[in-house]
Amino acid sequence: DGGITQSPKYLFRKEGQNVTLSCEQNLNHDAMYWYRQDPGQGLRLIYYSQIVNDFQKGDIAEGYSVSREKKESFPLTVTSAQKNPTAFYLCASDMGGGYNEQFFGPGTRLTVL
Amino acid sequence: KQEVTQIPAALSVPEGENLVLNCSFTDSAIYNLQWFRQDPGKGLTSLLLIQSSQREQTSGRLNASLDKSSGRSTLYIAASQPGDSATYLCAVRPHTGANSKLTFGKGITLSVRP
Repeated sequence: DGGITQSPKYLFRKEGQNVTLSCEQNLNHDAMYWYRQDPGQGLRLIYYSQIVNDFQKGDIAEGYSVSREKKESFPLTVTSAQKNPTAFYLCASDMGGGYNEQFFGPGTRLTVL
Repeated sequence: KQEVTQIPAALSVPEGENLVLNCSFTDSAIYNLQWFRQDPGKGLTSLLLIQSSQREQTSGRLNASLDKSSGRSTLYIAASQPGDSATYLCAVRPHTGANSKLTFGKGITLSVRP
């Protein structure tokens, strides 16, 4: 089955820890995205990548980092510099260029203890 | 800066009713518009994509229309069912190209009562 997988589904982090959220797609999509969703705020773009080994900051990149070493994978690291990381994180992908549908993974809920 | 608005934030209807969900955007220079559905605690599911050259798209009981000049899109749901209960989000793409990013509305939470 083609799709986007995110792991883990739930993640708990202690203050001061870095954590990495996984996102993998087998849709052969060029572009991948990370969004953060908070109640009442809608989706906000954290980082996006249009091609392997290249990525750009979105609207709320501070405290986050990404890598794109493989076309299929776009992991997101939430660093200790992110002051309010508790949120629902969504990974998405599309063919790039703006022409096509964007598809989403099932999400990871991160809670800071 | 593009802004996408979905009003009301929540809607409750009895089963069987035909309903319309609204989406408005401030900059009419869009390339396409996408409607999504989100169930609680889940990711977004793409419902329909309308290109700027199109007026509407249909999928089963769903019909989405686009009026660029007035900055509006509607999602029509025919014969609503309790299983349609979810949050519906619209998103616009401003242009094509490498840095074209979706701008999302905050969504409408729909509850269909049996």
